[in-house]
Amino acid sequence: EVQLVESGGGLVQPGGSLRLSCAASGFTFSSYEMNWVRQAPGKGLEWVSYISSSGSTIYYADSVKGRFTISRDNAKNSLYLQMNSLRAEDTAVYYCARDDYGEDDAFDIWGQGTMVTVSS
Amino acid sequence: SSELTQDPAVSVALGQTVRITCQGDSLRSYYASWYQQKPGQAPVLVIYGKNNRPSGIPDRFSGSSSGNTASLTITGAQAEDEADYYCNSRDSSGNHRVFGTGTKVTVL
Repeated sequence: EVQLVESGGGLVQPGGSLRLSCAASGFTFSSYEMNWVRQAPGKGLEWVSYISSSGSTIYYADSVKGRFTISRDNAKNSLYLQMNSLRAEDTAVYYCARDDYGEDDAFDIWGQGTMVTVSS
Repeated sequence: SSELTQDPAVSVALGQTVRITCQGDSLRSYYASWYQQKPGQAPVLVIYGKNNRPSGIPDRFSGSSSGNTASLTITGAQAEDEADYYCNSRDSSGNHRVFGTGTKVTVL
C-alpha cells in the first residue's frame, strides 16, 4: 500500500525548533518529488516547500523561507522539515504530499498530518 | 507570487450539478489540480491536468479551464460530496505552488 506517515509534531514555544519526518512506503520514494503543505486551524491549505527527487532543487514559500529547511534521505525513504524560529502563525497541521503526473503536477498521495502548536 | 481565488461557499441540491471556480493569472499558463477535504481528513486529489481523474474518483467529477479560470464540476452531486474543495497551481514564477482560498460545498 502506498503510504506517507508524518511524525514529530508537538507543542513548542515561540522561537523554538522542531523537526518533522515523513516516512514513505509502497512506492519508489527516490523517484518522486515531495512537498510539505500546512493547514492552520479552521483555515485553508498553504503550500510550504518542495524538494526534487534527488534533493538538488528546493523551493520555499515566502512565509517560511530562511526559517524552514526541507531535506530527504532516499536511502531511508524519508522526507524531513526542520523548522526554526517558530512563530504562533506556524501553528498548523503539516502534511507531506507526493508530487506526481509529470507536467500535470499534482499532489496525489498525502499523509495523515502531524499537528504543530507554537505557544508559550 | 500569484493568488487563486475561489467562492467561499456554494450549495447544490442532491443529484444536481454544481460548478466551483478558481481564478488567477497563473492559470493562463498552468493547469489547476483540485482537492476534496472532509473534516478531520487529509485532502484527496480529484482532478489534475486538463481533465484527469485519479483511480477511484467517480466520473461525476470533471475539470475544465478557460483563460484565467479553472473549474471543477460535480454532475449529479451526492451527499458524500459535501466537503471543502481547493484548487492548486503554480505561481507566475513556475517554481512555487499556490492553493486557492477554498470552497465549502453543501449538498442539500
